[in-house]
Amino acid sequence: SQTIHQWPATLVQPVGSPLSLECTVEGTSNPNLYWYRQAAGRGLQLLFYSVGIGQISSEVPQNLSASRPQDRQFILSSKKLLLSDSGFYLCAWSFRPDEQYFGPGTRLTVT
Amino acid sequence: QKEVEQNSGPLSVPEGAIASLNCTYSDRGSQSFFWYRQYSGKSPELIMSIYSNGDKEDGRFTAQLNKASQYVSLLIRDSQPSDSATYLCADHNAGNMLTFGGGTRLMVKP
Repeated sequence: SQTIHQWPATLVQPVGSPLSLECTVEGTSNPNLYWYRQAAGRGLQLLFYSVGIGQISSEVPQNLSASRPQDRQFILSSKKLLLSDSGFYLCAWSFRPDEQYFGPGTRLTVT
Repeated sequence: QKEVEQNSGPLSVPEGAIASLNCTYSDRGSQSFFWYRQYSGKSPELIMSIYSNGDKEDGRFTAQLNKASQYVSLLIRDSQPSDSATYLCADHNAGNMLTFGGGTRLMVKP
């Protein structure tokens, strides 16, 4: 069966600091991978998705970037965090574009 | 802009009752629909998918789809306190992505 991991689980970072969040999937090959953000009391906002190594599509222009260095690894980064970057960051995987499964998430607080 | 709308709630039902959660979507090209359950502080969990008009049952859960009215619903029979969570509706639309509603918070009172 497939398993998706995210780390760290929680993170507190000062404004202007860099960010690196990691997501890995086990038990599958060539999955579609997604990064979402959920702000407090808000819905899910798709940030990036990837259909393969090195293939990244951005949905929302912002100070975040994503990379997929390996088939089952997806990384979300920022060079300088903003207060507005606080939120719950969720990685998801799928074989089909519609049926997506989420990882446990990373709760980021920017202070 | 493609939208999925849900009443934010909270929807409060007594234990053992039927909880009815509703969702409307704007993209007539949407072909598949999903319900996710999200406990407080946790990530969303896929609980139901529906692709055709009509009802789909899975245990205590029934998903209903009416494409003509652009309406999706989730019924939870014999509601339990453990069903208390936020329920997210999503559609897979012509943009080949999932669009999520804001979620409905369900509270099941013992």
